[in-house]
Amino acid sequence: KAGVTQTPRYLIKTRGQQVTLSCSPISGHRSVSWYQQTPGQGLQFLFEYFSETQRNKGNFPGRFSGRQFSNSRSEMNVSTLELGDSALYLCASSLGDIGTQYFGPGTRLTVL
Amino acid sequence: GQQVMQIPQYQHVQEGEDFTTYCNSSTTLSNIQWYKQRPGGHPVFLIQLVKSGEVKKQKRLTFQFGEAKKNSSLHITATQTTDVGTYFCAGLSGGSNYKLTFGKGTLLTVNP
Repeated sequence: KAGVTQTPRYLIKTRGQQVTLSCSPISGHRSVSWYQQTPGQGLQFLFEYFSETQRNKGNFPGRFSGRQFSNSRSEMNVSTLELGDSALYLCASSLGDIGTQYFGPGTRLTVL
Repeated sequence: GQQVMQIPQYQHVQEGEDFTTYCNSSTTLSNIQWYKQRPGGHPVFLIQLVKSGEVKKQKRLTFQFGEAKKNSSLHITATQTTDVGTYFCAGLSGGSNYKLTFGKGTLLTVNP
């Protein structure tokens, strides 16, 4: 089976812009979670989607949003980018309930 | 909210020495998962512990889950340069609002 894929792998944006990241889970996996990874804060949970519904949400501002499509693919959107949003954004999929997380390679976002 | 503390933050060892990282949760966990992230890579699932007092081994790695299901440890015997990376624990809280919370990780470096 193909692993979790994320596009794009790298992004450079400027403050105030918005960005959309994409994640394709492992075939058959219905749960997709998003994480932000920074050197200072580690891996922080953003949100989790299951069957097109947001099932859980972390403590991030409303500028961070996501959605999941009927084929389980997911997108994450960040609006009005801030310098502090520079991070590695990781997507992870799992079969159903939040079990083993299979991570994608991540999208490295740099905000200038 | 649930917090998962992991210590130490960094550990540098000589090849052949042992290594241990500890994980403590503020709440009782349904299960605990361990991941390894190589430099420049993404987290990769190592193991999941579910039962109170559970001990699992993977070659030179020994994982333990505390009796109260609030703490866990990962011990590596006779480290090798291939063990280099950041080791994360992730605790799954139960109930209707289950959430997977990652510790900040322990970065292990091994001097050959």
